[in-house]
Amino acid sequence: DTAVSQTPKYLVTQMGNDKSIKCEQNLGHDTMYWYKQDSKKFLKIMFSYNNKELIINETVPNRFSPKSPDKAHLNLHINSLELGDSAVYFCASSHGYSYEQYFGPGTRLTVT
Amino acid sequence: GIQVEQSPPDLILQEGANSTLRCNFSDSVNNLQWFHQNPWGQLINLFYIPSGTKQNGRLSATTVATERYSLLYISSSQTTDSGVYFCAANRDDKIIFGKGTRLHILP
Repeated sequence: DTAVSQTPKYLVTQMGNDKSIKCEQNLGHDTMYWYKQDSKKFLKIMFSYNNKELIINETVPNRFSPKSPDKAHLNLHINSLELGDSAVYFCASSHGYSYEQYFGPGTRLTVT
Repeated sequence: GIQVEQSPPDLILQEGANSTLRCNFSDSVNNLQWFHQNPWGQLINLFYIPSGTKQNGRLSATTVATERYSLLYISSSQTTDSGVYFCAANRDDKIIFGKGTRLHILP
Protein backbone atom coordinates (compact mmCIF):
# COMPACT_ATOMS: atom_id res chain seq x y z
CA ASP A 1 0.00 0.00 0.00
CA THR A 2 2.79 2.40 -1.00
CA ALA A 3 1.54 5.99 -0.94
CA VAL A 4 3.78 7.48 -3.64
CA SER A 5 5.60 5.11 -5.96
CA GLN A 6 8.09 5.69 -8.76
CA THR A 7 9.45 3.48 -11.50
CA PRO A 8 12.12 2.68 -12.28
CA LYS A 9 14.22 2.94 -9.14
CA TYR A 10 17.44 3.04 -11.17
CA LEU A 11 17.90 4.20 -14.75
CA VAL A 12 21.19 4.08 -16.63
CA THR A 13 21.20 5.45 -20.15
CA GLN A 14 23.40 7.12 -22.72
CA MET A 15 23.62 10.75 -23.70
CA GLY A 16 21.13 11.78 -26.32
CA ASN A 17 18.49 9.20 -25.37
CA ASP A 18 14.91 10.00 -24.36
CA LYS A 19 13.58 8.47 -21.16
CA SER A 20 10.55 8.59 -18.86
CA ILE A 21 10.08 8.18 -15.14
CA LYS A 22 6.65 7.25 -13.84
CA CYS A 23 5.00 8.39 -10.62
CA GLU A 24 1.76 7.24 -9.04
CA GLN A 25 0.09 8.25 -5.78
CA ASN A 26 -2.83 6.53 -4.05
CA LEU A 27 -3.43 9.24 -1.44
CA GLY A 28 -6.20 10.98 -3.33
CA HIS A 29 -4.10 14.12 -3.59
CA ASP A 30 -4.76 16.69 -6.27
CA THR A 31 -1.27 18.16 -6.63
CA MET A 32 1.92 16.39 -7.67
CA TYR A 33 5.53 17.54 -7.99
CA TRP A 34 8.87 16.60 -9.44
CA TYR A 35 12.12 17.43 -7.66
CA LYS A 36 15.75 17.00 -8.62
CA GLN A 37 18.39 16.18 -6.01
CA ASP A 38 21.95 16.70 -7.22
CA SER A 39 25.16 15.08 -6.02
CA LYS A 40 25.48 17.65 -3.21
CA LYS A 41 22.03 16.67 -1.94
CA PHE A 42 20.45 20.01 -2.93
CA LEU A 43 16.73 19.57 -3.60
CA LYS A 44 15.09 21.80 -6.18
CA ILE A 45 11.55 21.78 -7.38
CA MET A 46 11.13 21.25 -11.10
CA PHE A 47 7.37 21.21 -11.59
CA SER A 48 4.17 21.28 -9.66
CA TYR A 49 0.91 20.24 -11.28
CA ASN A 50 -2.72 19.85 -10.47
CA ASN A 51 -5.56 19.32 -12.84
CA LYS A 52 -5.78 23.03 -13.41
CA GLU A 53 -2.32 24.46 -13.47
CA LEU A 54 1.26 23.60 -14.28
CA ILE A 55 3.89 25.64 -12.49
CA ILE A 56 7.33 25.33 -13.99
CA ASN A 57 10.57 26.29 -12.33
CA GLU A 58 12.05 28.66 -14.87
CA THR A 59 15.50 27.10 -14.53
CA VAL A 60 14.32 23.73 -15.86
CA PRO A 61 15.38 23.07 -19.48
CA ASN A 62 12.51 22.50 -21.88
CA ARG A 63 13.92 19.01 -22.54
CA PHE A 64 12.02 18.09 -19.38
CA SER A 65 8.26 17.80 -19.57
CA PRO A 66 5.67 16.50 -17.11
CA LYS A 67 2.71 14.54 -18.40
CA SER A 68 -0.31 13.70 -16.29
CA PRO A 69 -2.76 11.13 -17.69
CA ASP A 70 -4.92 11.51 -14.57
CA LYS A 71 -4.86 12.95 -11.04
CA ALA A 72 -3.01 9.96 -9.63
CA HIS A 73 -0.13 9.99 -12.09
CA LEU A 74 2.56 12.47 -13.08
CA ASN A 75 5.25 11.18 -15.39
CA LEU A 76 8.49 12.94 -16.24
CA HIS A 77 9.77 12.82 -19.82
CA ILE A 78 13.32 13.82 -20.60
CA ASN A 79 14.55 14.33 -24.15
CA SER A 80 18.13 14.37 -25.38
CA LEU A 81 19.64 13.39 -22.06
CA GLU A 82 22.85 15.11 -20.99
CA LEU A 83 25.54 14.17 -18.48
CA GLY A 84 24.34 16.95 -16.17
CA ASP A 85 20.94 15.33 -15.91
CA SER A 86 22.42 12.62 -13.71
CA ALA A 87 20.73 12.98 -10.32
CA VAL A 88 18.03 11.50 -8.12
CA TYR A 89 14.53 12.54 -9.15
CA PHE A 90 11.77 12.55 -6.58
CA CYS A 91 8.06 12.67 -7.10
CA ALA A 92 5.81 14.05 -4.38
CA SER A 93 2.14 14.77 -3.83
CA SER A 94 -0.04 16.89 -1.56
CA HIS A 95 -3.64 17.82 -0.97
CA GLY A 96 -3.56 21.33 -2.31
CA TYR A 97 -0.58 23.26 -3.56
CA SER A 98 2.37 23.38 -1.14
CA TYR A 99 0.50 21.69 1.67
CA GLU A 100 2.02 18.70 3.43
CA GLN A 101 4.00 16.80 0.82
CA TYR A 102 4.68 13.07 0.67
CA PHE A 103 7.64 11.85 -1.33
CA GLY A 104 8.26 8.80 -3.45
CA PRO A 105 11.39 6.66 -3.05
CA GLY A 106 13.30 8.42 -5.81
CA THR A 107 14.74 7.39 -9.18
CA ARG A 108 18.49 7.48 -9.58
CA LEU A 109 19.26 8.52 -13.17
CA THR A 110 22.77 8.01 -14.50
CA VAL A 111 23.65 9.36 -17.93
CA THR A 112 26.84 7.98 -19.47
CA GLY B 1 12.97 35.12 -3.93
CA ILE B 2 12.77 33.58 -0.51
CA GLN B 3 16.01 32.25 1.01
CA VAL B 4 16.07 29.27 3.37
CA GLU B 5 19.13 28.64 5.51
CA GLN B 6 19.75 25.73 7.83
CA SER B 7 22.25 25.40 10.63
CA PRO B 8 24.46 23.76 11.54
CA PRO B 9 25.44 22.16 8.22
CA ASP B 10 26.92 19.15 10.01
CA LEU B 11 26.44 17.68 13.47
CA ILE B 12 28.07 14.66 15.09
CA LEU B 13 26.64 13.46 18.39
CA GLN B 14 26.89 10.51 20.71
CA GLU B 15 23.84 8.28 21.03
CA GLY B 16 21.55 9.60 23.76
CA ALA B 17 22.39 13.28 23.19
CA ASN B 18 19.86 15.99 22.39
CA SER B 19 20.09 18.35 19.43
CA THR B 20 18.46 21.44 17.97
CA LEU B 21 18.41 22.13 14.24
CA ARG B 22 17.52 25.54 12.93
CA CYS B 23 15.83 26.79 9.77
CA ASN B 24 15.77 30.52 8.98
CA PHE B 25 13.75 31.99 6.16
CA SER B 26 14.14 35.43 4.66
CA ASP B 27 10.48 36.31 4.19
CA SER B 28 7.09 35.36 5.51
CA VAL B 29 6.00 31.90 4.45
CA ASN B 30 2.70 30.16 3.90
CA ASN B 31 3.94 26.75 4.96
CA LEU B 32 6.97 25.05 6.43
CA GLN B 33 7.82 21.37 6.51
CA TRP B 34 10.62 19.27 8.04
CA PHE B 35 11.92 16.10 6.40
CA HIS B 36 14.44 13.41 7.29
CA GLN B 37 16.40 11.82 4.46
CA ASN B 38 17.70 8.54 5.79
CA PRO B 39 20.99 6.94 4.65
CA TRP B 40 19.06 4.96 2.03
CA GLY B 41 17.86 8.19 0.43
CA GLN B 42 14.23 8.02 1.47
CA LEU B 43 12.59 11.38 2.31
CA ILE B 44 10.35 11.05 5.32
CA ASN B 45 7.82 13.59 6.55
CA LEU B 46 8.50 14.78 10.05
CA PHE B 47 6.38 17.86 10.57
CA TYR B 48 4.13 20.18 8.65
CA ILE B 49 4.34 23.26 10.83
CA PRO B 50 3.64 26.72 9.41
CA SER B 51 3.41 28.01 12.98
CA GLY B 52 3.29 26.81 16.56
CA THR B 53 4.69 23.67 18.16
CA LYS B 54 4.19 20.00 17.43
CA GLN B 55 5.57 16.87 19.02
CA ASN B 56 5.94 13.32 17.78
CA GLY B 57 7.73 10.99 20.17
CA ARG B 58 11.34 12.11 20.64
CA LEU B 59 10.98 14.79 17.98
CA SER B 60 9.34 18.16 18.26
CA ALA B 61 9.30 21.30 16.14
CA THR B 62 8.50 24.94 16.69
CA THR B 63 7.94 27.59 14.05
CA VAL B 64 7.90 31.26 15.00
CA ALA B 65 6.56 32.72 11.79
CA THR B 66 6.80 36.36 12.92
CA GLU B 67 10.54 35.91 13.56
CA ARG B 68 11.08 33.77 10.46
CA TYR B 69 12.58 30.64 11.92
CA SER B 70 11.76 27.08 12.78
CA LEU B 71 13.51 24.68 15.16
CA LEU B 72 13.60 20.90 15.14
CA TYR B 73 14.44 19.21 18.44
CA ILE B 74 15.67 15.65 18.66
CA SER B 75 15.94 14.17 22.13
CA SER B 76 17.73 11.00 23.23
CA SER B 77 19.27 10.52 19.78
CA GLN B 78 19.46 7.05 18.29
CA THR B 79 21.68 5.83 15.46
CA THR B 80 18.58 5.55 13.28
CA ASP B 81 18.25 9.36 13.52
CA SER B 82 21.33 9.71 11.30
CA GLY B 83 20.83 11.28 7.91
CA VAL B 84 20.08 14.69 6.49
CA TYR B 85 17.33 16.93 7.85
CA PHE B 86 15.72 19.39 5.45
CA CYS B 87 13.28 22.18 5.98
CA ALA B 88 11.18 23.43 3.08
CA ALA B 89 9.35 26.73 2.96
CA ASN B 90 6.62 27.87 0.64
CA ARG B 91 5.72 31.42 -0.29
CA ASP B 92 3.22 32.11 -3.05
CA ASP B 93 4.08 29.62 -5.78
CA LYS B 94 7.68 29.03 -4.68
CA ILE B 95 8.81 26.01 -2.67
CA ILE B 96 12.39 26.27 -1.45
CA PHE B 97 14.39 23.64 0.40
CA GLY B 98 17.27 24.47 2.70
CA LYS B 99 20.62 22.78 2.09
CA GLY B 100 20.07 20.48 5.04
CA THR B 101 21.77 19.53 8.28
CA ARG B 102 23.74 16.30 8.10
CA LEU B 103 23.39 14.48 11.42
CA HIS B 104 25.59 11.57 12.39
CA ILE B 105 24.79 9.71 15.61
CA LEU B 106 27.63 7.62 16.97
CA PRO B 107 26.83 4.36 18.83
